[in-house]
Amino acid sequence: GIQVEQSPPDLILQEGANSTLRCNFSDSVNNLQWFHQNPWGQLINLFYIPSGTKQNGRLSATTVATERYSLLYISSSQTTDSGVYFCAFKAAGNKLTFGGGTRVLVKP
Amino acid sequence: ETGVTQTPRHLVMGMTNKKSLKCEQHLGHNAMYWYKQSAKKPLELMFVYNFKEQTENNSVPSRFSPECPNSSHLFLHLHTLQPEDSALYLCASTPEPLVGEKLFFGSGTQLSVL
Repeated sequence: GIQVEQSPPDLILQEGANSTLRCNFSDSVNNLQWFHQNPWGQLINLFYIPSGTKQNGRLSATTVATERYSLLYISSSQTTDSGVYFCAFKAAGNKLTFGGGTRVLVKP
Repeated sequence: ETGVTQTPRHLVMGMTNKKSLKCEQHLGHNAMYWYKQSAKKPLELMFVYNFKEQTENNSVPSRFSPECPNSSHLFLHLHTLQPEDSALYLCASTPEPLVGEKLFFGSGTQLSVL
C-alpha cells in the first residue's frame, strides 16, 4: 500500500537555526502538501508542491518526484514555528495519505 | 483563520450520549471531509462529501453518522461511542475532491469519551 514516512520524528532547535524536514513516499506523486499543526491543533496548509520548489517567507519546499521525496526547509527558526509538520501524499487513484509528522520545538 | 469553522472546540461525552459536531466553510468549496487524529497515529480520512453527496466512507463504524445538508455545512453525529473514539476530529474542505487542490482545515473538536 501507499507509504509516507517523515524524518526526523522529533527536532529541537535553538531560535535562529535552520533545519530540513524530509518526507519519503512510495509511489508516483499526484498531490503533495505540507502542513503545520500548532500546539492548539490548527492545521495550516504551507505548500501544495507535487514537484519543483516553492518559497514562502522563511519556509521553502522542494519535491523531487523522480526520487520520491520532498523536503521542507525552515530558516532562521522562531518559537512560533514550534508544532508538528505533516506531509500528505496522494498517488493517482488513491486517497491523500498523511505521514506521521515531525514534532518541532524551537527554544528561545 | 482558514475559512473553516468547527464547533464545539471541546466535547466530553459519556458512552450513552448523543452529540453532534458541526463544520461550516466560508470558502465556496464543493468538497468537505471529516478526519480523525488520534494520539501517535497519522490523520485518518473518515468521510468525503462532494456537492452534498457522500463519495467516500473509509470503513467508519456506524456509531459515526455524517450529514451534509449543503456544500457549506457538514455534521458528524455521534452515538454510543467508545473510549477509544477519543481524538481530535478535523473538518476540511477543497474546491473539488482532491483534484490537485490544497486542503483547508478547521481548528478541530477535541473529543473525550468517558
